[in-house]
Parts: sequence; C-alpha cells; structure tokens
Amino acid sequence: NAGVMQNPRHLVRRRGQEARLRCSPMKGHSHVYWYRQLPEEGLKFMVYLQKENIIDESGMPKERFSAEFPKEGPSILRIQQVVRGDSAAYFCASSPPPSVGGYTDTQYFGPGTRLTVL
Amino acid sequence: SQQGEEDPQALSIQEGENATMNCSYKTSINNLQWYRQNSGRGLVHLILIRSNEREKHSGRLRVTLDTSKKSSSLLITASRAADTASYFCATEPSFSGGYNKLIFGAGTRLAVHP
Repeated sequence: NAGVMQNPRHLVRRRGQEARLRCSPMKGHSHVYWYRQLPEEGLKFMVYLQKENIIDESGMPKERFSAEFPKEGPSILRIQQVVRGDSAAYFCASSPPPSVGGYTDTQYFGPGTRLTVL
Repeated sequence: SQQGEEDPQALSIQEGENATMNCSYKTSINNLQWYRQNSGRGLVHLILIRSNEREKHSGRLRVTLDTSKKSSSLLITASRAADTASYFCATEPSFSGGYNKLIFGAGTRLAVHP
C-alpha cells in the first residue's frame, strides 16, 4: 500500500505564475488535508476535502488559492499569481473516514512540495 | 499565541541521554499527536494519545497527557544520533467537527550528538 504521494517534490515559479500541487491519498482514504509550513515553523491547516467536496477551507487565503479533490484523480492545490510570500513547503495528508463512535484516525502525511517563488 | 506550543524550542543532548519535550495547548481536545520531521523531509507519525488516556508507550517513546493542565510531554529514552529531528505536537480540537483538523505547534529541534 503506497503512502501519500505528492508531486512535484520541488517547484520553482516566478512571481505572477501559477503553481499546481498534486496529492494522491493512500488507497482507501477519502479525506485529504492540505497544510503549509513556513521555514522554522509548524504546519498550518489550510483546507480539508472529501471526494468532490470542500468541507473546511478556513485556513486558506481568500484570494489566489483554491483546492479540489475530484471524483477521479489526485487532489490539487492551485496557487494563482504566486508571490514570494507563498514560498513554503506544502504538505498533504490523508485519512480514512472517522470510525464508528466518532474517533478519527491518524493522518498520514506525504513528503511535501517545496515551492520557491523567485 | 497558537495552540500546541512546544518547549524547549531547541534541545541538544548526548547519545544515550533521555530527551523530554513538552507541549501546551489552549482548547479542549479529542486527541494529541506527536510527529517527527527530519530536515527538509515529510512528517512521520509517532504516537496518538486520546483525551481519555494519560500515558502511552511505543518503543523508546513515552507520551503523557494531562488534560487538566492542557499539556503533554514526549520522552525519548536512550537517544541516538538518528533521533536528531524536529518534533511537533498536534492537537485535534474538540470543536473540529468530527474530522481530524490538526493544529501544530512550532516544534522542538532536537540534536543528539554522538
């Protein structure tokens, strides 16, 4: 069972370009989370998606950022018109649906995509 | 300040010594998790402790949780150079809506010297 996969691992963009980050969850996982990590900081929650639905995007900047998790294919985090402040590591995590009784399961993280904006 | 604050920010020890890292948080939680991150790499899940648990062990790791003080500690016994990494605590707040929306601290950077 492959782990969470993210690509590309490293992405360099110039200011004003678009960045597309992909995440393939673990097999059987229908929940995907995106986090952003600035240098020397912890991860900050951005968005939580289930297949074809955005459940919680409270951590996502209102402009230029969007996320999707289509019925088929990976989850995509899209950043339009990137700026230098978008340079960070972006991590995707997946988990199965909560078990009976409401306990959520461990989140499994991908290796991250390191975005550098020149 | 944010939920899930670790202390110390940095810890430097010799191989064989024990390393203790602490985490404090602000809101009521469903669970608290510890992760390790090697420099420039992804996160590795170490251990999850639920709000109704007080202590958990996994190999050389021991985690405690005190919900009355809203704090947790991670103890790594008999440390090795390979334990050198950043360690993060992450909490799932009770208000997270039934899904695993984690709030991370800034981490403790552990250096274990041979």
